[in-house]
Amino acid sequence: QVQLVQSGAEVKKPGSSVKVSCKASGGTFSSYTISWVRQAPGQGLEWMGRIIPILGIANYAQKFQGRVTITADKSTSTAYMELSSLRSEDTAVYYCARSIVGATWWFDPWGQGTLVTVSS
Amino acid sequence: EIVLTQSPGTLSLSPGERATLSCRASQSVSSSYLAWYQQKPGQAPRLLIYGASSRATGIPDRFSGSGSGTDFTLTISRLEPEDFAVYYCQQYGSSPPEVTFGQGTRLEIK
Repeated sequence: QVQLVQSGAEVKKPGSSVKVSCKASGGTFSSYTISWVRQAPGQGLEWMGRIIPILGIANYAQKFQGRVTITADKSTSTAYMELSSLRSEDTAVYYCARSIVGATWWFDPWGQGTLVTVSS
Repeated sequence: EIVLTQSPGTLSLSPGERATLSCRASQSVSSSYLAWYQQKPGQAPRLLIYGASSRATGIPDRFSGSGSGTDFTLTISRLEPEDFAVYYCQQYGSSPPEVTFGQGTRLEIK
């Protein structure tokens, strides 16, 4: 059974960067697309972007273009999301979620979430 | 960008009742690219329905999805206590890749 395990909670200063990891186990990483979705406190879900590790191609939501970088390390089956120029509005739980390249576009499963708090 | 609008914002029902949740798109969405998720407090979302009407693995048959074009519906035939949660619809567009979620419907116990 596929499982996505994310790195732990982070507290960051405004203007800094954060990098969150998402390690996949129990499946074939090369067949995945990994998306990143965030959820601000008490708010809904917001897609940030995705990566297709086998192709090394990343796509980003327009809102985050230039501020987010999604990468993947096939050797460790791990995807990363780095968000720069952090501001208080970036305080949120960040989730990774899997799709299957060329087969599915929906998100299943999801990681457990990583709380990123931006505070001075 | 396609905007998804869910209604109602909050739905108050009792166990055993039928729940009908709506998701309306700002432009036509292929039925193949519409999904529903359930989220409970402190948990990650869970896939319920994909392709507008296909239940994900392990999802009870009291959950059903329907709709096409710009109007989609998630129906829970008889509410169980564990069904009270927030529900999100989601659409996928491929050119360029784009994913949007509705703002969610909170299903609460009456």
